[in-house]
Amino acid sequence: DAGITQSPRHKVTETGTPVTLRCHQTENHRYMYWYRQDPGHGLRLIHYSYGVKDTDKGEVSDGYSVSRSKTEDFLLTLESATSSQTSVYFCAISGVGNTEAFFGQGTRLTVV
Amino acid sequence: AQRVTQPEKLLSVFKGAPVELKCNYSYSGSPELFWYVQYSRQRLQLLLRHISRESIKGFTADLNKGETSFHLKKPFAQEEDSAMYYCALKEGAGGTSYGKLTFGQGTILTVHP
Repeated sequence: DAGITQSPRHKVTETGTPVTLRCHQTENHRYMYWYRQDPGHGLRLIHYSYGVKDTDKGEVSDGYSVSRSKTEDFLLTLESATSSQTSVYFCAISGVGNTEAFFGQGTRLTVV
Repeated sequence: AQRVTQPEKLLSVFKGAPVELKCNYSYSGSPELFWYVQYSRQRLQLLLRHISRESIKGFTADLNKGETSFHLKKPFAQEEDSAMYYCALKEGAGGTSYGKLTFGQGTILTVHP
């Protein structure tokens, strides 16, 4: 398995609180992504990064922010969690060129 | 904008039966198509990519540009094939896609003994 780790794996938080999810890779891949997985929607891209300090929005970015201060770490922050952000969050990494994407094990987030 | 559609949310077959998971896409350029599999509560894993034209675990998929489809097939399903399957599209070479994937809604395959 590719060296990609997400933390925490499970989290329950209250509405209105900030939450940060961490993705850590040991593959030195340039591209990193955050997706959310919801029934009936598959996986949808939240934000992605194409280099250190280079990030951009995905399909469902409202209510989320990201940061990438070094190659190996990509943080996803929910500024003020809402119940609609209850989901499973997957981090993925990919290299430049025709390479496959590797996924983390996911973080199950519940907002109550 | 690109779109990937998997029309079947659930698919049930018996062991040894053929299985076909449908995937249709819309994209104006030349896409790369993938199938990812997710076994129960595990991470997504790459199953197939159209450019390699290989067979993994007995599964094959052919890109049909005329019908904009990339259906996944296996002649004899096994119980261990039970999983969630996602079809995904990546913008083709030459674009600034940064490897982003657009996923279909997923199909849950259940293979009964």
